[in-house]
Amino acid sequence: SQQGEEDPQALSIQEGENATMNCSYKTSINNLQWYRQNSGRGLVHLILIRSNEREKHSGRLRVTLDTSKKSSSLLITASRAADTASYFCATNSGYSTLTFGKGTMLLVSP
Amino acid sequence: DVKVTQSSRYLVKRTGEKVFLECVQDMDHENMFWYRQDPGLGLRLIYFSYDVKMKEKGDIPEGYSVSREKKERFSLILESASTNQTSMYLCASSGGHSNQPQHFGDGTRLSIL
Repeated sequence: SQQGEEDPQALSIQEGENATMNCSYKTSINNLQWYRQNSGRGLVHLILIRSNEREKHSGRLRVTLDTSKKSSSLLITASRAADTASYFCATNSGYSTLTFGKGTMLLVSP
Repeated sequence: DVKVTQSSRYLVKRTGEKVFLECVQDMDHENMFWYRQDPGLGLRLIYFSYDVKMKEKGDIPEGYSVSREKKERFSLILESASTNQTSMYLCASSGGHSNQPQHFGDGTRLSIL
């Protein structure tokens, strides 16, 4: 069953701009993860934020988590054409399985 | 780096055939997963395994079975392929703790004619 839902479904920006994607979920979580998928390829793990964390950074990525609103956001700063991909949030509720959202397609134009 | 290898990138089979999709990981991970990915539906979990010879149903196990005879290998079996099983199939593995990320293969795009 889907738990995470990303918003927007698609996002088109210019190189150098920031991209923000949001994820909402329904039940309590142990952690929330963000993944990237280039066209026709597998998913690549970007960042994991635990339920007791509010913000996490990794390079140009910034993730926030608001457990009271059951939502997370992924910010990519100073985007590049190479950031063009689909981005998925996935929630973990304490076992080893993840529940993925349907993804946001990001297009970064040169 | 973790490497998850799926045996085929593209596969074409006929309705009614028995189809095997193979996945191998090289990081001694306890957990392995099979997903299918369809446009507009995202990733859906078919089966997963947390140990050799152990398997658990995911959200959409109907029409599929799995086999894990060795820790590094997890096979997905379509017992009698049907056209509605045309999809992208993704294998993943992860360490035993729930705070471990999943590592994915590049997928197998399966077409059932």
